Amino acid sequence: AQSVTQPDIHITVSEGASLELRCNYSYGATPYLFWYVQSPGQGLQLLLKYFSGDTLVQGIKGFEAEFKRSQSSFNLRKPSVHWSDAAEYFCAVGANSGYALNFGKGTSLLVTP
Amino acid sequence: GAGVSQSPRYKVAKRGQDVALRCDPISGHVSLFWYQQALGQGPEFLTYFQNEAQLDKSGLPSDRFFAERPEGSVSTLKIQRTQQEDSAVYLCASGQGSYEQYFGPGTRLTVT
Repeated sequence: AQSVTQPDIHITVSEGASLELRCNYSYGATPYLFWYVQSPGQGLQLLLKYFSGDTLVQGIKGFEAEFKRSQSSFNLRKPSVHWSDAAEYFCAVGANSGYALNFGKGTSLLVTP
Repeated sequence: GAGVSQSPRYKVAKRGQDVALRCDPISGHVSLFWYQQALGQGPEFLTYFQNEAQLDKSGLPSDRFFAERPEGSVSTLKIQRTQQEDSAVYLCASGQGSYEQYFGPGTRLTVT
């Protein structure tokens, strides 16, 4: 069965510093991969997605992610973090059935001044 | 509004009560999903509709959970005889295609 692991429960970065959030997946075929962000009391907002093609995908709010098949990873990056980026970030993989998303447990990002 | 809306946003129920959670998807969206998000966890899939047809309900945790979408638009998730372990945020998402999912703000259910 497919699964998603986000190794870091909490991450703290200084405003202006670079960010990398890790995501590893277990899946038999080429996965469909997603990153979502959830602010307190808000629903999930899609940052970016990977289906096929170029392994470096650009998303909204200056985020990007790189699909690395050899490492079964889809890490999220941002070169310079803003205080408004503080939120919970979820990596997700498309399930075999073709619609349901299988989410990781999330990484909570804290941004310090 | 342009997005997915859910009501109520907060619900407190006494153990044993029945609750109904509503989801208004984005107009014209064929697909509708329900997820359950426990505190400190990622969302977990509950069920999926394509128009009015419930194509997958494998994630529903027990027969106390029931979902419907009778006219292929608004959906209701019903939980009978609520238990404390049902306390969670229930998220609804809609989309046009298989993996395209736009999420609502969720309903936070607290069972006391």
